[in-house]
Order: sequence, then structure tokens, then C-alpha cells
Amino acid sequence: GENVEQHPSTLSVQEGDSAVIKCTYSDSASNYFPWYKQELGKRPQLIIDIRSNVGEKKDQRIAVTLNKTAKHFSLHITETQPEDSAVYFCARNTGTYKYIFGTGTRLKVLA
Amino acid sequence: DSGVTQTPKHLITATGQRVTLRCSPRSGDLSVYWYQQSLDQGLQFLIQYYNGEERAKGNILERFSAQQFPDLHSELNLSSLELGDSALYFCASSVYGGRDETQYFGPGTRLLVL
Repeated sequence: GENVEQHPSTLSVQEGDSAVIKCTYSDSASNYFPWYKQELGKRPQLIIDIRSNVGEKKDQRIAVTLNKTAKHFSLHITETQPEDSAVYFCARNTGTYKYIFGTGTRLKVLA
Repeated sequence: DSGVTQTPKHLITATGQRVTLRCSPRSGDLSVYWYQQSLDQGLQFLIQYYNGEERAKGNILERFSAQQFPDLHSELNLSSLELGDSALYFCASSVYGGRDETQYFGPGTRLLVL
């Protein structure tokens, strides 16, 4: 189908622990996969993205992995901090210029 | 601050009315996207424009329409408003509107239909 399945919908972790969010898709035309962080009432902000010619990308405490064969990609946040608490959305592009977003993961980092 | 601006920030109106939401893209960006985010929902793609021309369409209702002007700002028109149209409406922009380009989001317009 067209949708991106995102799991889990909610995630609570202790400060300092790691958090992993996974998204799966079925459209083989997708070749760009951004991740956005959205705080309550604010705009989505790009935190990391990956293109299909690489399998992993890292930026400090945040990393994204892509398995194009299995059609899934994941966001990894290490050493979580309370300010990481937010809703995270994955997305994929399509063959027709539009983006499809996942349903979001509400991450709560407990101090 | 992404450089994308949207006005107004908040809008309260009644059912049956018509409203216009405005978006100015980042300097140099030619493409504009509109998204709808209902309460506790994900982002639903509505429509994309590139340099004044419609490029892609999502599940945009017939009561909604949009356009991009020569100065590249865009307007989203919502008419015959219903309670269910209450949502956050985001505009995003990118340089060329390519399939693998990053989209930068504006602060959104919160629409409340009473």
C-alpha cells in the first residue's frame, strides 16, 4: 500500500538509554527517507535523512539505518535526554513527488 | 527558524465560511507544499506547487484549492468549512521540488471551525 507503518506509537525510555523507532513501506520507488521531530504545537523539524544509496547515516547521537531490500528504515537515538521528548515522524518520497508520513511516535524521556 | 513563513498563526471561524491561508517559502525555494495535521494525527499531504504550476496532488478535498503566485508565495483556500476541517495546516518549501529534496516546514496555521 501507500502508507508508511511506524512503530511504536509511544515509547518511554529512561534518560541515558537508547530509543529506536522503525518504519516500513512497500513502494520500491521510494529513495529518500527523512525523519522529523515535532514538539507540541510546533512545526516539524528535519533531524536526519537518508537516501537509498547508503545504508546508514549518523549525526552525533542520532542515526538512521535503511534496509532497502526489506523496505524498512529506523531512527536510533542514543544517550537520550529530556529535550528529546517529542513526536517523531518518518516519511518517504514516492514516484509522483508527494511525501507520505508515518503516523508518528510519541517519545517520552524520563529523567 | 526554517525561513518559511505562514499567516495567520491562528484562525477561528464558523461552519460554512471560507478562509485563506498564506505561505511564503524560504528565499530561493521554488516549490511549496501544503499539509494538514488533525489532532493527534500524522501529516497528510494536500498539494505541491513548483514555480507557479501544480506538480502533485494528495487527498485534497474539492472544497479546498491552492495556487502559487509569480512571487512564489502560495495561498490555500478552504471553503464551505466543516467542523472536521479544524486542524493545523503546514506549508513547506524546497528548492526545486525534487523527489529527494528536503522539505522545510513553516510554523503552521491553526484553524478552528466552530
